[in-house]
Amino acid sequence: GENVEQHPSTLSVQEGDSAVIKCTYSDSASNYFPWYKQELGKGPQLIIDIRSNVGEKKDQRIAVTLNKTAKHFSLHITETQPEDSAVYFCAARRQGGKLIFGQGTELSVKP
Amino acid sequence: DAGVIQSPRHEVTEMGQEVTLRCKPISGHDYLFWYRQTMMRGLELLIYFNNNVPIDDSGMPEDRFSAKMPNASFSTLKIQPSEPRDSAVYFCASSSTVTNEKLFFGSGTQLSVL
Repeated sequence: GENVEQHPSTLSVQEGDSAVIKCTYSDSASNYFPWYKQELGKGPQLIIDIRSNVGEKKDQRIAVTLNKTAKHFSLHITETQPEDSAVYFCAARRQGGKLIFGQGTELSVKP
Repeated sequence: DAGVIQSPRHEVTEMGQEVTLRCKPISGHDYLFWYRQTMMRGLELLIYFNNNVPIDDSGMPEDRFSAKMPNASFSTLKIQPSEPRDSAVYFCASSSTVTNEKLFFGSGTQLSVL
């Protein structure tokens, strides 16, 4: 089955710097890769997703890149702000399959 | 839309008691998922439904866990009898094939079994 590895487990950056979180997946048939943000006491919230027919997708300060050959994808947050502090989860799924989550990255943005 | 609604937000019970968690998915969504979140195991899929029918329950830990979806607007996850190792945050999520299966999560139920 699918296995998703996420790194780093914790990440601390200064406000205004960029943050990068990386994930690798094992199932070459996976074709959908969402990223979720979870704030304290809340459920995960979808922030951006990418499908395997696209190499990069951007939404304001957030971007995701996908390398199908290497089976890894990354989340990039530019100009970080304190409100970006949260736990971020990557996930992967093949068509008709279950969404498998990474272990999460706790991002801390210091003012 | 109010989003996915879960109740209760917090549940504290004693070992051996029955626990029932409730979920109301987003109106019009045809998929419903139950996840469990712990520090050790992260987010685990327990079971999911499509059009009220259970599709995959391979993630349900053992027979003490059961889930039902009697109609499109309500689902329950029951643990009987509960054990301390069941302590976790339980999330319900829903999605729609129309919206490309993006998952929308509820706020979760924090379960503590003493």
